[in-house]
Parts: sequence; structure tokens; C-alpha cells
Amino acid sequence: DPKIIQKPKYLVAVTGSEKILICEQYLGHNAMYWYRQSAKKPLEFMFSYSYQKLMDNQTASSRFQPQSSKKNHLDLQITALKPDDSATYFCASSQGLGYNYAEQFFGPGTRLTVL
Amino acid sequence: GQQVQQSPASLVLQEGENAELQCNFSSTATRLQWFYQHPGGRLVSLFYNPSGTKHTGRLTSTTVTNERRSSLHISSSQTTDSGTYFCAIDPLGSSGNKLIFGIGTLLSVKP
Repeated sequence: DPKIIQKPKYLVAVTGSEKILICEQYLGHNAMYWYRQSAKKPLEFMFSYSYQKLMDNQTASSRFQPQSSKKNHLDLQITALKPDDSATYFCASSQGLGYNYAEQFFGPGTRLTVL
Repeated sequence: GQQVQQSPASLVLQEGENAELQCNFSSTATRLQWFYQHPGGRLVSLFYNPSGTKHTGRLTSTTVTNERRSSLHISSSQTTDSGTYFCAIDPLGSSGNKLIFGIGTLLSVKP
């Protein structure tokens, strides 16, 4: 019974289009994150949210926009897609940000391919 | 330079052998986590271990924070241990619990 759900599992998009990656967690956590893993780079932090507020953003491009409609949702909208955006995008969550609550748990990922 | 360095980059074992994976980090880390990535891609948290030693099953993690290093020991390896092991830190000063990952150690355990 998965506790962090990411949809879709696989996604193929054309250059210039826009896609939304879905993430929901049922762990009762207050903090959520997005990471990216591509063939060219190691796992890379993108965003962190706590109680639906942005805490840290390491993504240089404004084409990546997280959207949090509920505390347990953190979707990722990507506009003007480029082939370099091809990667597996992982959503993660933790109980909180504090030292004793910071262990992060990862979802299964969405593999995005941009043609 | 790379903030999290892992060694070795890859390792091949015969089933039953032990393994020691190393993680060194250049920034003071407030938190440290070890992950296992299945060959199919799923990431599993093995240890949240900012300092000290933790055990679970055949795995032991030891972090010496002031020496900026951590290790993951796998005893009596099994073929199902094959996959990639990542060390990740949250550097001091990070406001958002940002994890910075190493490039991983690819472990292959032969029957």
C-alpha cells in the first residue's frame, strides 16, 4: 500500500509543451520535496515545502513551478519543456524540518521523456 | 567541488562477503541519510543517521560528524542487496531540509 503516490509513472512529452507531475503523500507529513535524477547528474534537490509554504528553491528556471493545493499534495508544473528536462522526478516527504523529524521518504518517481 | 563524495564508485562481491561503503562530505552536515536505490529505480531510506551508530538487520551505519564522514557496512551480502547506495547530507545553514546526494556506490552481489 504505497504511502507516497506519484502520477503518472511514465510521461512522454514534446518540446515546448507543458506537463503536471502529481504527488500525494498519506504519511501525515508536513514537509514535501521534489528531486530530479537524470543520466547526466546525480540526484538533485529542486524544492522544499513546509505547511504548503516554499522553504527552499534550487531550481534556476521559472519553468518549474510547484503547486500545493493541500498539505499532503505537492504537484510540479513544468512549462516550455526541453529535451534536457528528461529525467526521473521524485517526490519526497518528511514529518517536519526539525532535526528529529527530517528523515525523508521518497515516492516511486515519474519518468519524463521530452522528445 | 563535490560536497558529498562516496567510495568506492562500484563494488562486486560474492554472496556472503561483507562490504564497507564510505561517505565523506565537505560541508558541516546537520543531517545525514543513507538510501538504497533498487535497480528498478525506487529509493528506500536505510538510515537517518546524523551522528553515531545505527543498526538494522545486516546493515550498520556509523557517522562521525566532526570528521565529516559516514560509513555503511553490509554484512553477509545477498544478491538482493545489489543496487545503488547513496549518501546524502543536509548542509549547515540550509533552511529547507535540502538533501545533497553523492553519486552513489553501485553494488553487485554475485551468487
